[in-house]
Amino acid sequence: GESVGLHLPTLSVQEGDNSIINCAYSNSASDYFIWYKQESGKGPQFIIDIRSNMDKRQGQRVTVLLNKTVKHLSLQIAATQPGDSAVYFCAENIGRWGKLQFGAGTQVVVTP
Amino acid sequence: DADVTQTPRNRITKTGKRIMLECSQTKGHDRMYWYRQDPGLGLRLIYYSFDVKDINKGEISDGYSVSRQAQAKFSLSLESAIPNQTALYFCATSDWGPGTDTQYFGPGTRLTVL
Repeated sequence: GESVGLHLPTLSVQEGDNSIINCAYSNSASDYFIWYKQESGKGPQFIIDIRSNMDKRQGQRVTVLLNKTVKHLSLQIAATQPGDSAVYFCAENIGRWGKLQFGAGTQVVVTP
Repeated sequence: DADVTQTPRNRITKTGKRIMLECSQTKGHDRMYWYRQDPGLGLRLIYYSFDVKDINKGEISDGYSVSRQAQAKFSLSLESAIPNQTALYFCATSDWGPGTDTQYFGPGTRLTVL
């Protein structure tokens, strides 16, 4: 079946460096993608989204890149800070019914 | 997100007991969702509701039921709890219409079934 998945379960990043979190998707019909951040003991928090008619979208210190040719999504975090330590999920909107399918998540650990 | 609240935040219960988890939202969204999260897994959809009269099963609805009491309230019930329903449960809401797919999550309910 088609699914959303992440390449790396854990990413260790030194404070101040840039982080890149990857996500592969296989549903070619997906037209909307979201990145969520989940801190320990909290619910997922929206970070940034991108529609399939775009290749890149930037937010504050974050950039999402979408490569539809290879069905790949990435989240870049600039100048990673201790507060960025969390689990990051990608999700895709399947079809027109507003349902999201989530990947398993990547744990980002920021080291001093 | 303070706009989506869940009660209780933590619950320990015994096998066979009936449990209700409640979700309320002040975002004015029509759509509400219940997810389950297990360690090492992503979020899995249990039930979703696109309005008060429209309730649908998600991918793992067996053993669960829901009630949409009002636009702002969506409850999840475990009729007879079993240990493998021990998990973190999240409620989410979203608006309706083009460009409004983003879902906003509550803080979660940690449920332990002994």
